[in-house]
Amino acid sequence: DQQVKQNSPSLSVQEGRISILNCDYTNSMFDYFLWYKKYPAEGPTFLISISSIKDKNEDGRFTVFLNKSAKHLSLHIVPSQPGDSAVYFCAASVDSGYALNFGKGTSLLVTP
Amino acid sequence: DGGITQSPKYLFRKEGQNVTLSCEQNLNHDAMYWYRQDPGQGLRLIYYSQIVNDFQKGDIAEGYSVSREKKESFPLTVTSAQKNPTAFYLCASTRDPGQAGNQPQHFGDGTRLSIL
Repeated sequence: DQQVKQNSPSLSVQEGRISILNCDYTNSMFDYFLWYKKYPAEGPTFLISISSIKDKNEDGRFTVFLNKSAKHLSLHIVPSQPGDSAVYFCAASVDSGYALNFGKGTSLLVTP
Repeated sequence: DGGITQSPKYLFRKEGQNVTLSCEQNLNHDAMYWYRQDPGQGLRLIYYSQIVNDFQKGDIAEGYSVSREKKESFPLTVTSAQKNPTAFYLCASTRDPGQAGNQPQHFGDGTRLSIL
């Protein structure tokens, strides 16, 4: 039973524009949320996280928004760059000491 | 440089054989994890260990075994009982949240296992 869902398998955005990647979850016990970026044949690289006590966290070009009532989070990348092209995974856990539940990923393509 | 090392990067196995995937970390992390990724899928948890000499099953533990004899090492054995072992295997680690608060898991670069 998929507790973390990324309903868009792919997204294409022009360089310089905003990329918005979405994620929904079903388990109301989740209180720690993360985004990872992954290239083929490599391990995921941690991008940004947010705990349930916040609704926004920003790190450079990356911002994560959390809407607990809707059980929804999103990752905004502004401005998008061709090097951002990768698969992005949303993940959640009850707390960070426990295993992560991953979505299936969204493949982002940033075109020049 | 601190990090997580998985070896080998590519591994081939004949049907009926057990094979062990190595995961070593020098980050002084307490917790370690094994995930499996299949094409078009997210990562699924196989086993995790929060402390030496203790580990718990994840969502898809059948056909796998682990040990945690040292803090730095968390090897995964894929046994012949695993019916579909061809996948990309990822090891991760993190600090104890009881001491460090929420911390992200950091991943190795994975081992791709294929059946001959």
